[in-house]
Amino acid sequence: QKEVEQNSGPLSVPEGAIASLNCTYSDRGSQSFFWYRQYSGKSPELIMSIYSNGDKEDGRFTAQLNKASQYVSLLIRDSQPSDSATYLCAGGRNNFNKFYFGSGTKLNVKP
Amino acid sequence: NAGVTQTPKFQVLKTGQSMTLQCAQDMNHNSMYWYRQDPGMGLRLIYYSASEGTTDKGEVPNGYNVSRLNKREFSLRLESAAPSQTSVYFCATQHGGSNQPQHFGDGTRLSIL
Repeated sequence: QKEVEQNSGPLSVPEGAIASLNCTYSDRGSQSFFWYRQYSGKSPELIMSIYSNGDKEDGRFTAQLNKASQYVSLLIRDSQPSDSATYLCAGGRNNFNKFYFGSGTKLNVKP
Repeated sequence: NAGVTQTPKFQVLKTGQSMTLQCAQDMNHNSMYWYRQDPGMGLRLIYYSASEGTTDKGEVPNGYNVSRLNKREFSLRLESAAPSQTSVYFCATQHGGSNQPQHFGDGTRLSIL
C-alpha cells in the first residue's frame, strides 16, 4: 500500500463545472497536506497547503482535510481548460523523509 | 527571483558515461531532495539532504551519488549511466521539517542511449 493514494484518472469535466480530486493517506502521523499542479513537461507547482481539519479556500480552489477518515480533497470551481494538468497530492510529518507524493490525477477540462 | 535552479535542462548521454546534475537554491532552505519521474509513474525519491553536510538514501538510490556542497547546492552524480536511468530529474527544497511544502526546480531531462 502506498502512503498516499490517488486515482490516476483521467478525470474529465466540462468547462465551468466543479472538478473534485481526491486523495487518501495511510500515515496517521501526517500533519500537513499539499496539492501540486503539474502541466505536461513542467515541474510540480504548489497550489494549496492545508494543515488542519476542514476547508481552506483560495480563489477557485478549496482544499478539504478529514484526518479521522485520512482523506484529502481539492475542489476546483468554474474549471477552465487551463486547469487541465496532473494534480499531485502530498503529505508530510515532521520527520525528514516522511514526505509522500501520490502518483497524481490527470484532469481534462473540455471547452 | 530564481528559487531552485537546475542545470542542465537537457542532456543526452551514452551508456557508461558519467555526469553530474546540479541544483542550486536561493531560498535559504535547509533540506534538499532529488527525485526522478518516469512516464506514468509518480515522483520517486533518490536521495535527500536534511541539512548541510548530511545526505541519506531515498527509495531508489542505486546507481547515483550525491554531494551537499554547501547550504545552497546539492548535486546528483551518475557514475556509469544506464538506459534505465533515462528520466526527468527534479530537485526540490524544503524549509524545516517534512510538515512544510517542497519547492521544485524546472527539471533536467536526461536520455541515455
